[in-house]
Amino acid sequence: GAGVSQSPRYKVAKRGQDVALRCDPISGHVSLFWYQQALGQGPEFLTYFQNEAQLDKSGLPSDRFFAERPEGSVSTLKIQRTQQEDSAVYLCASSSGHWGTIQYFGAGTRLSVL
Amino acid sequence: AQSVTQLGSHVSVSEGALVLLRCNYSSSVPPYLFWYVQYPNQGLQLLLKYTTGATLVKGINGFEAEFKKSETSFHLTKPSAHMSDAAEYFCAVSPGNSGNTPLVFGKGTRLSVIA
Repeated sequence: GAGVSQSPRYKVAKRGQDVALRCDPISGHVSLFWYQQALGQGPEFLTYFQNEAQLDKSGLPSDRFFAERPEGSVSTLKIQRTQQEDSAVYLCASSSGHWGTIQYFGAGTRLSVL
Repeated sequence: AQSVTQLGSHVSVSEGALVLLRCNYSSSVPPYLFWYVQYPNQGLQLLLKYTTGATLVKGINGFEAEFKKSETSFHLTKPSAHMSDAAEYFCAVSPGNSGNTPLVFGKGTRLSVIA
């Protein structure tokens, strides 16, 4: 597609449920990033992939958060046993990875944990 | 470590007035600097970026920003506000190659434009 696509756009989960958020990056982009944006805050880095390799997961807030990109294209962010504090917008961004290129962002998935 | 401070969580201007959104950064290496805009229920859209070279950067929709190393600032300006400029604006820094390095964002400034 022409841009970064994320699905679902909205997700409501009951506390304790597992959720999976999908990101389709721009075709050919090797770099993929996940960010978490809490209400009224700026995005915060979660994890980064280069192709299928997860090079940095230092921003994942707990071991309940897991991300994968098995074929170097689509990525899934999984949150197990969701908690209320997980409620946020989850943004995905992709980049060609070349020096000085920008990150292109998807519209995000708004997760509400009740 | 890198950090970004945006002064003013909310700025309100009259239509046609100057827009000034402030951003200060800290970086241990020469930074790449960005301004993104976010409209309600949408993702982030790049307004402009500074990597190297000319310190006055022009972006889309009439916005520009000036990189001032001595002041560690990258303020965003627009000479005349339009109603369609009402949105959330984020300043971000990248400590290296912005193509494969996570961005560090400020908390954002919400711009309101009054008719």
